[in-house]
Amino acid sequence: QQQVKQSPQSLIVQKGGIPIINCAYENTAFDYFPWYQQFPGKGPALLIAIRPDVSEKKEGRFTISFNKSAKQFSLHIMDSQPGDSATYFCAASKTGTASKLTFGTGTRLQVTL
Amino acid sequence: GAGVSQSPSNKVTEKGKDVELRCDPISGHTALYWYRQSLGQGLEFLIYFQGNSAPDKSGLPSDRFSAERTGGSVSTLTIQRTQQEDSAVYLCASSPSRGRETQYFGPGTRLLVL
Repeated sequence: QQQVKQSPQSLIVQKGGIPIINCAYENTAFDYFPWYQQFPGKGPALLIAIRPDVSEKKEGRFTISFNKSAKQFSLHIMDSQPGDSATYFCAASKTGTASKLTFGTGTRLQVTL
Repeated sequence: GAGVSQSPSNKVTEKGKDVELRCDPISGHTALYWYRQSLGQGLEFLIYFQGNSAPDKSGLPSDRFSAERTGGSVSTLTIQRTQQEDSAVYLCASSPSRGRETQYFGPGTRLLVL
């Protein structure tokens, strides 16, 4: 059972564009939603995270939008750069379960010049 | 400071052999996680250690998989009688304590079972 569904699987945008990656979850007990960025040959690194008491969070060029009623959240990358080319994973966890993360299947983003 | 380290970085083994993968968490981190990343898939939770508590083994896919954590620090993931479907990247992460703090990932061990 895939509890976090992520789309699209891959995405190509031009420099300066705004890629949007979407995730949907099933478990209403989830209350922590991080996004991880992974470069080839490296482990994932936390990019930004949100909790369901807010609908939006911004950190630099990265924004998470959260829709609790729809059980969806998305990552927007403003003014994307070639250095943003990486694989992005959304994840979710719930309090009291040792924070084990349930991950989406990842989105491979390519930002072209 | 030093991050999470894993060894070996790559491992090629023959079907049926046992393998051991090592994780050195960030010093002082009490929580340690193992995940598996298969090609084209997300990360799959395997096992979690928190301090001296009994580990959460709910993600281990079969009894061929086991893990231990010695002295609350270094962890070893052992896969016995490896199968081709065990080929994946095995990632270790640590965090300061139980809760929703950031999990810091190591670079992973790429396991190929021939």
